[in-house]
Amino acid sequence: QSALTQPPSASGSPGQSVTISCTGTSSDVGGYNYVSWYQQHPGKAPKLMIYDVSKRPSGVPDRFSGSKSGNTASLTVSGLQAEDEASYFCSSYAGNNNRVFGGGTKLTVL
Amino acid sequence: EVQLVESGGGLVQPGESLRLSCAASGFTISPYGMIWVRQAPGEGLEWISYINGVSSAIYYADSVKGRFTVSRDNAKNTLDLQMNSLRAEDTAVYYCARDRANTYSDYWGQGSLVTVSS
Repeated sequence: QSALTQPPSASGSPGQSVTISCTGTSSDVGGYNYVSWYQQHPGKAPKLMIYDVSKRPSGVPDRFSGSKSGNTASLTVSGLQAEDEASYFCSSYAGNNNRVFGGGTKLTVL
Repeated sequence: EVQLVESGGGLVQPGESLRLSCAASGFTISPYGMIWVRQAPGEGLEWISYINGVSSAIYYADSVKGRFTVSRDNAKNTLDLQMNSLRAEDTAVYYCARDRANTYSDYWGQGSLVTVSS
């Protein structure tokens, strides 16, 4: 069982927005502003999409945004495109030099 | 282009050992922390180890502590994971990644499959 809870699936039509949640505890998500999000296409390496809750690395479209409220972090993908169909994983620093990940959410573009 | 390539995976029996390597190219690993993360079949990602740039800070998940050892050779631009006393539950794809102080990972390898089965 993963330390962070994500919905197993999410979906949206092209052009729509979809939000994926990532729920932890006050010891991880709620305790630190070190939440990151990763996109993974089948058979490919994970790709960093968001770090430090809401920062976007260079090259990541601004359609991707991150936020946090309490023990829950969220990734929002606006203006859905076909290439956004992938699995998305969240991660958080968890204190005592530990990191935790979520179980992943498979995003389907209808 | 930044690249990380894992190697050394395979099929082993319970109790045996295996050593994974991660070769970096397109950047010098010495200033960076590095992590190992694994993904069991059909499961999410699991962080298992972090090592800082000078190997002075090394951390492990409880699930592998005492069995796995991470090391790095900055001169060769490589990262290793020595896995001993392997168990069936260690079966997973193992990824190495460049990391920022154990808070986020900005480049990942494609992974190496380790299967532990009799």
